Amino acid sequence: GDSVTQMEGPVTLSEEAFLTINCTYTATGYPSLFWYVQYPGEGLQLLLKATKADDKGSNKGFEATYRKETTSFHLEKGSVQVSDSAVYFCAPARNSGAGSYQLTFGKGTKLSVIP
Amino acid sequence: DVKVTQSSRYLVKRTGEKVFLECVQDMDHENMFWYRQDPGLGLRLIYFSYDVKMKEKGDIPEGYSVSREKKERFSLILESASTNQTSMYLCASSLGLAVPFPKNIQYFGAGTRLSVL
Repeated sequence: GDSVTQMEGPVTLSEEAFLTINCTYTATGYPSLFWYVQYPGEGLQLLLKATKADDKGSNKGFEATYRKETTSFHLEKGSVQVSDSAVYFCAPARNSGAGSYQLTFGKGTKLSVIP
Repeated sequence: DVKVTQSSRYLVKRTGEKVFLECVQDMDHENMFWYRQDPGLGLRLIYFSYDVKMKEKGDIPEGYSVSREKKERFSLILESASTNQTSMYLCASSLGLAVPFPKNIQYFGAGTRLSVL
């Protein structure tokens, strides 16, 4: 079945540091890829997505590139802020064949950014 | 804006009780989902529904059932709650088959933290 391997946390960075959270996946076919973010006390929000190989998703200064050859979708940000402190989930999507699609979530990486 | 509302943020129940978790979405979405979130395990899909009265098992359906009598409402039912069902439960919704994949992004509620004593 499909699976996601995501960098384990927690990750603690100083403000303005460079962030990388690694994500690799195994999936049948060529899925679309998502990063979701969960801020403290809230549900998940879509951060960015990529729908085909070499696509780059970007939002709020975060970027991730769909690498088909390495089956990876690493999340990066050049300069993190305290407000980026959250849990980040990598999630490939596959068609479920029942009028919908299913997300397979990684275990999540908790990021703490200190001033 | 899409709004997915879960009726309770926190619930405390006793072992053996029947528990209902309610979720309502206001965007006329066809698809609705229930996940549980546990530390170190991420999110795991319990059940999803792609239409009224339709349901499909997810990865961990044991001990749970669901009900979708109206399009906007999707209920998760614990017939006889057990301590290993203590968890954070997240509901999500998305547009359905008529919307080209992958534009039908899943939108999540804030979650219900359930403790079973």
